[in-house]
Amino acid sequence: SAVISQKPSRDICQRGTSLTIQCQVDSQVTMMFWYRQQPGQSLTLIATANQGSEATYESGFVIDKFPISRPNLTFSTLTVSNMSPEDSSIYLCSGEGRGTDTQYFGPGTRLTVL
Amino acid sequence: GENVEQHPSTLSVQEGDSAVIKCTYSDSASNYFPWYKQELGKRPQLIIDIRSNVGEKKDQRIAVTLNKTAKHFSLHITETQPEDSAVYFCAASYKRYSGGGADGLTFGKGTHLIIQP
Repeated sequence: SAVISQKPSRDICQRGTSLTIQCQVDSQVTMMFWYRQQPGQSLTLIATANQGSEATYESGFVIDKFPISRPNLTFSTLTVSNMSPEDSSIYLCSGEGRGTDTQYFGPGTRLTVL
Repeated sequence: GENVEQHPSTLSVQEGDSAVIKCTYSDSASNYFPWYKQELGKRPQLIIDIRSNVGEKKDQRIAVTLNKTAKHFSLHITETQPEDSAVYFCAASYKRYSGGGADGLTFGKGTHLIIQP
C-alpha cells in the first residue's frame, strides 16, 4: 500500500488569507488527486495534480482559488486562496497505487476560516 | 459528468444481521467502483472494489455486486459486528487501463451504518 502524509493536520485562518497544504507520498504512487470533505458530508474531487504541468480542475473549482503544484512524482501542494468561512472543510490528497486500482488517502487537513 | 446516488443515508441493523447499501451511477463509461469505510475523524479506507468486467466480488464478510445494464452496484456485509459501525461511501471512476490511469473518484453521499448490540 501507499504511504501518504499531509501537513498541516489542522489550521485556523483568518478570512482573506491563504493556506498551502502539503502532501507527500511514497514512491508507490502514480496519479495524485485533491478532495474536499465538508463536515458530515461526502468527498468532492477538486482536481487531478499532474506532474510538471497544470492541474486538471473539476467543474466548480478554479486555479485562481485552488492553485495546485506537483513538481515531482511524490509531492504536491494545494493552496486555498483568499479564504472565506465557506472554505472551512477537510482537504484530503490521494494517490493511486502503482500497478493497482486503489486510491489511498492522506489523513486530511482540517481547515477552519474565521 | 458522473453522478453517484447512494441509499440509504442511515442504516441501523442488529449485530449479526446483514447490511446492504445500494448505489447507482449515471456515466456508462465508468468502469471502476470502490467502496470506502470512514470512521469518525479518520481517513477513508478502501474495503472492496469491483471493475466493470466482473459481476460480483467477495472478501470474507464483504461482497460487492455490479449490474452494468442497470448501472447500479451494492455492498453486502454479512454477520455484522460492532466494529463495522462507520460511514460507508461508494464511488465510481473511469480507469483507462488496469492497474492505473484512473480519473478521480465521484463519491456517493455516504451511509451511516449503525450496528446495534
